[in-house]
Amino acid sequence: EVQVLESGGGLVQPGGSLRLSCAASGFTFNTHAMSWGRQAPGKGLEWVSGISAGGDSTYYADSVKGRFTISRDNSKSTLYLQMNSLRAEDTAVYYCARGGIVQRTSDDWGQGNQVTVSS
Amino acid sequence: DIQMTQSPSTLSASVGDRVTITCRASQSISYWLAWYQQKPGKAPKLLIYKASILESGVPSRFSGSGSGTEFTLTISSLQPDDFATYYCQQYNSYSLTFGGGTKVEIK
Repeated sequence: EVQVLESGGGLVQPGGSLRLSCAASGFTFNTHAMSWGRQAPGKGLEWVSGISAGGDSTYYADSVKGRFTISRDNSKSTLYLQMNSLRAEDTAVYYCARGGIVQRTSDDWGQGNQVTVSS
Repeated sequence: DIQMTQSPSTLSASVGDRVTITCRASQSISYWLAWYQQKPGKAPKLLIYKASILESGVPSRFSGSGSGTEFTLTISSLQPDDFATYYCQQYNSYSLTFGGGTKVEIK
């Protein structure tokens, strides 16, 4: 069974940093692209960032480009999202997903992790 | 970025109704479109990918069609478990985008 489990969320002040992790199991991690999406309170879904299976190609939404960095450790089957210069509008539930880059659909999602940016 | 426009934003229907949701892309995305179902407090669930391919385990009352810029999700006979919010997503470009969502409510 495919499982992806996010961790690392919490409350952070504006301008602060946070790193999300996503532990994957139940599939061959190093053969799949991975991605992050988010959902602000009461709002729709937003794709945030994606990374190729080998980690050599990364992609970002304009809203986070230059502030967020996606990475992966295939030896640990773990995906990361380093979030810097956080803003109130980054407050959301963040989801890790298998797939989610160009021509690769997101077919399995984690349960989500809350990130709140507030003073 | 490619903009995805879903309609309607809210839909009221009864059990047994046939329901159709439309998604339009601001430019051609070929068949690189997925449909997701989301219930409150839960992660999205993939229903359809490549515009018309049913994900394994998804009931056959769900179907998708379209290509280029116009796509539809159809539920042939609405069931109580289907009351949820539905999103389309294009994955043709390097920056993926979702539609605004369609909430299917009980009439």
